[in-house]
Amino acid sequence: NAGVMQNPRHLVRRRGQEARLRCSPMKGHSHVYWYRQLPEEGLKFMVYLQKENIIDESGMPKERFSAEFPKEGPSILRIQQVVRGDSAAYFCASNSPGRSNEKLFFGSGTQLSVL
Amino acid sequence: GQSLEQPSEVTAVEGAIVQINCTYQTSGFYGLSWYQQHDGGAPTFLSYNALDGLEETGRFSSFLSRSDSYGYLLLQELQMKDSASYFCAVSPDTGRRALTFGSGTRLQVQP
Repeated sequence: NAGVMQNPRHLVRRRGQEARLRCSPMKGHSHVYWYRQLPEEGLKFMVYLQKENIIDESGMPKERFSAEFPKEGPSILRIQQVVRGDSAAYFCASNSPGRSNEKLFFGSGTQLSVL
Repeated sequence: GQSLEQPSEVTAVEGAIVQINCTYQTSGFYGLSWYQQHDGGAPTFLSYNALDGLEETGRFSSFLSRSDSYGYLLLQELQMKDSASYFCAVSPDTGRRALTFGSGTRLQVQP
């Protein structure tokens, strides 16, 4: 049983470039959540998606950030024109429909470094 | 909005018992969860309380008082491998909202 898979594990970008972070949820899960974590801080919610739908994007900056979860393939978090302040660990989590949201299964994260 | 408060650091010795508190303020509340995260690792689910009282899972227990907007995680028979960050998280009262996490408590277990 593969868990939540995120890639790449580490991503280095220069200012102004685009970053694409991928997340494949656990088998059978159709809810995906993206969180951002700065060193020594908690997980900040960004966006909650179900297949082909954004359910809640209240934590995601309006500019430069976008997320999708297509019918086929992984969920993608896209950051355009990255700035140094985007450097963080980005975690994806998933769970299955019909459950309450308390139990999330997290991936190992993508560490984004912006030079 | 939602906010959670927990201590930033706790230190304890191997074999001891430690309690990590969490207070929350939220506009809608369904339950309180606890997650563990080792350095460089993924958060992993530990326990969940929707009702008042104590939930026990092995060496770990979690408590909730809805009237006090307060909960805690109790770790017994501490082991070195328990050194990690522990996060409380509130579940909103709607399935269309995600968990909101606290800033985490770093637990250092000393020999």
